[in-house]
Amino acid sequence: GAVVSQHPSRVICKSGTSVKIECRSLDFQATTMFWYRQFPKQSLMLMATSNEGSKATYEQGVEKDKFLINHASLTLSTLTVTSAHPEDSSFYICSAPGLAGGPRETQYFGPGTRLLVL
Amino acid sequence: EDQVTQSPEALRLQEGESSSLNCSYTVSGLRGLFWYRQDPGKGPEFLFTLYSAGEEKEKERLKATLTKKESFLHITAPKPEDSATYLCAVRWSGGSNYKLTFGKGTLLTVNP
Repeated sequence: GAVVSQHPSRVICKSGTSVKIECRSLDFQATTMFWYRQFPKQSLMLMATSNEGSKATYEQGVEKDKFLINHASLTLSTLTVTSAHPEDSSFYICSAPGLAGGPRETQYFGPGTRLLVL
Repeated sequence: EDQVTQSPEALRLQEGESSSLNCSYTVSGLRGLFWYRQDPGKGPEFLFTLYSAGEEKEKERLKATLTKKESFLHITAPKPEDSATYLCAVRWSGGSNYKLTFGKGTLLTVNP
């Protein structure tokens, strides 16, 4: 299957600071990547779709100015949580559809990033 | 109304005790139903994709089946290492390309 990595795996920051999370497709190219958020004992909620070479598409209720997404290349998407507040503390997971080495249209997920805002 | 509903929310089994997890969906124009396994603090790990009613997929102790309204994940003679949250997700014609809608998952615990 396709491999997706995320960095960092954990981050603790002070309220008001910005945090950048990277998502990389390691063995395939991804023109589209997805960012999810998961609260404890809850399912994954799609935040936005990251598109290489164009603007991200945000789901209803997600503030695009707070969650900045940049799809810099065919293997890298970044999510920046700006002016983070404690309520932004969550588990952030990215995914990418893998066409090489896996079933058609399957999404492969990264290991996730645990964000704690103090 | 939830579009993807998983049951039960939690399931405890003894090692070797076979059972099934359910995923029912109300979306129309299904383009794929996906099963993932998620361990605590980690991202979902892909298990199966099912595209049409009647389709079945197997992997070790797991077998996934699909009907027009639901999918089952059968676990045969489970082991403690099968303990995890199992997530079901669908892609459907009303969603954008590649978008997955997830259920809330079933937390499976297998006791030795």
